[in-house]
Amino acid sequence: DTAVSQTPKYLVTQMGNDKSIKCEQNLGHDTMYWYKQDSKKFLKIMFSYNNKELIINETVPNRFSPKSPDKAHLNLHINSLELGDSAVYFCASSQEVGGATEAFFGQGTRLTVV
Amino acid sequence: GENVEQHPSTLSVQEGDSAVIKCTYSDSASNYFPWYKQELGKRPQLIIDIRSNVGEKKDQRIAVTLNKTAKHFSLHITETQPEDSAVYFCAASKGTGNQFYFGTGTSLTVIP
Repeated sequence: DTAVSQTPKYLVTQMGNDKSIKCEQNLGHDTMYWYKQDSKKFLKIMFSYNNKELIINETVPNRFSPKSPDKAHLNLHINSLELGDSAVYFCASSQEVGGATEAFFGQGTRLTVV
Repeated sequence: GENVEQHPSTLSVQEGDSAVIKCTYSDSASNYFPWYKQELGKRPQLIIDIRSNVGEKKDQRIAVTLNKTAKHFSLHITETQPEDSAVYFCAASKGTGNQFYFGTGTSLTVIP
């Protein structure tokens, strides 16, 4: 069983389009995240959701919106895609048990905007 | 927010030698420090972690040390092997809501 799964794995789209990336975790974790990894490999936190409440939103354009229908899902919707949005997007989840614990990552979605 | 710095950005070692990667953090409230390994085209995966109440932790060829006073922690890999070649990330978290802040990564190459 895949702990954290995200779809699609690859996404090629034109500038100006709207797209979504889906993420699901079967670990029963309370917190889910989206990270963006650019060409320099830097992992930058975009959002985290804890019990369906947004608890962190780093300086991300409002074209990006996380949507969590339930605790096991955190989808990422992107409006009006731009060339600079091209990157690998990782979903992750973790559970706080007496303190922070390991974050488990999905396999990543490589987004290419042309 | 937390600021995590990581050095070096690239590291090449001969097989069998040791590799050391260092990180510093800014927020004294951070109390959990994981290290992730990311192979090319793969997801980051945890290799070792340490909490603020521990100074050192070892798992076979991998060890992590933490100096809370100086706010720095390091990853030590001994007897390196070609399969250790990857990008390594350090991270820091305060635990509340589990925000993880990552360092900029170290690309390790082990030369056979």
